[in-house]
Amino acid sequence: KAGVTQTPRYLIKTRGQQVTLSCSPISGHRSVSWYQQTPGQGLQFLFEYFSETQRNKGNFPGRFSGRQFSNSRSEMNVSTLELGDSALYLCASSLGGGTTDTQYFGPGTRLTVL
Amino acid sequence: GENVEQHPSTLSVQEGDSAVIKCTYSDSASNYFPWYKQELGKRPQLIIDIRSNVGEKKDQRIAVTLNKTAKHFSLHITETQPEDSAVYFCAASTSGGGADGLTFGKGTHLIIQP
Repeated sequence: KAGVTQTPRYLIKTRGQQVTLSCSPISGHRSVSWYQQTPGQGLQFLFEYFSETQRNKGNFPGRFSGRQFSNSRSEMNVSTLELGDSALYLCASSLGGGTTDTQYFGPGTRLTVL
Repeated sequence: GENVEQHPSTLSVQEGDSAVIKCTYSDSASNYFPWYKQELGKRPQLIIDIRSNVGEKKDQRIAVTLNKTAKHFSLHITETQPEDSAVYFCAASTSGGGADGLTFGKGTHLIIQP
């Protein structure tokens, strides 16, 4: 099976702009989670989608949003970019069944905000 | 919410020796504990995971132990090899990594000295 894919791999934006990142899960996986990775804060949970519904959200401002499509592909959007949003954004997919789930990560999108 | 502490932040061992990384968690409801390995510039990859109904799990040179009473779990790598050099992250979740997301430790940079 093909792994989790993310596009684009690299992105450079300026403050105040908005950005949309895309994630395609492993075939058959219905859950997609998003994480932000920075040197200072490590890996932090943003939100999780299952069957086009956001099931949970981490402690991030409303500028961070996402959605999931009927084919389980997911996008996340960051509006009004700030310098501190520079990070590696990782998505992870899982079957979505609950306690026996395992998350598999994509390669990430490296976002640089200038 | 859940809080995961990971120690040490850097660990240097001689090739062939064993390495041990320890994590503690705060939420007694957590029931899923994966370990991820991340090489420089690559995605986190699951190396082993353990669920709360199991005290120990082994996969070749890698083992994880879980003490639910003390709320801590550890990763043990025996007969370390140069390719074991990477950053290792522990994580905890109350739902198998789905709806509640994974809470990660800050990571341990494992260096294998030749």
